[in-house]
Amino acid sequence: DADVTQTPRNRITKTGKRIMLECSQTKGHDRMYWYRQDPGLGLRLIYYSFDVKDINKGEISDGYSVSRQAQAKFSLSLESAIPNQTALYFCATSDFPGTGNTDTQYFGPGTRLTVL
Amino acid sequence: GEDVEQSLFLSVREGDSSVINCTYTDSSSTYLYWYKQEPGAGLQLLTYIFSNMDMKQDQRLTVLLNKKDKHLSLRIADTQTGDSAIYFCAESIVGYSTLTFGKGTMLLVSP
Repeated sequence: DADVTQTPRNRITKTGKRIMLECSQTKGHDRMYWYRQDPGLGLRLIYYSFDVKDINKGEISDGYSVSRQAQAKFSLSLESAIPNQTALYFCATSDFPGTGNTDTQYFGPGTRLTVL
Repeated sequence: GEDVEQSLFLSVREGDSSVINCTYTDSSSTYLYWYKQEPGAGLQLLTYIFSNMDMKQDQRLTVLLNKKDKHLSLRIADTQTGDSAIYFCAESIVGYSTLTFGKGTMLLVSP
């Protein structure tokens, strides 16, 4: 969805480096999410934010940190990257409460991160 | 806790119908979603159904919900090669804050 953008789209880095993945949205949604996708494991939630002052840990937050700089921007940092953080990372926004309290999520195109 | 299970792989021939199945564990009021992920892309919402519904149809897509068995299915009629993708089932519970995704079903459509 072009309304949710992620940069960079691909990144190769070395063990121990700090790296930041950025997400921007023009949908005007309050809720934003970071997921990682690994083959055979589906999507796992790293962090989520309901507004600029509300940030919550997800299922697999260890080794990651986030910053919600504005309603439209939510960045994910790996303070000291390790090889098992090699994955596809997705940012998403949510329209909650949508029609009838739906929680439809809109995904960015993903960032493929490789840690050597 | 919530758990969503899907079979990992389905192969069909072009023109046939595809049925992708999903089971979930939480019986609380909930929405259930189907997302599609094409190669190299993010997830795209296909459709959703509320738990007080049994069926929802949208063009070639039919969603069936069996609340008693906590079973959800997505039927794609007249499957095309462009339908080849990974399909994710996801569950949300009213009052909770996040979606729970299944691991995804890879649909391969052969000519």
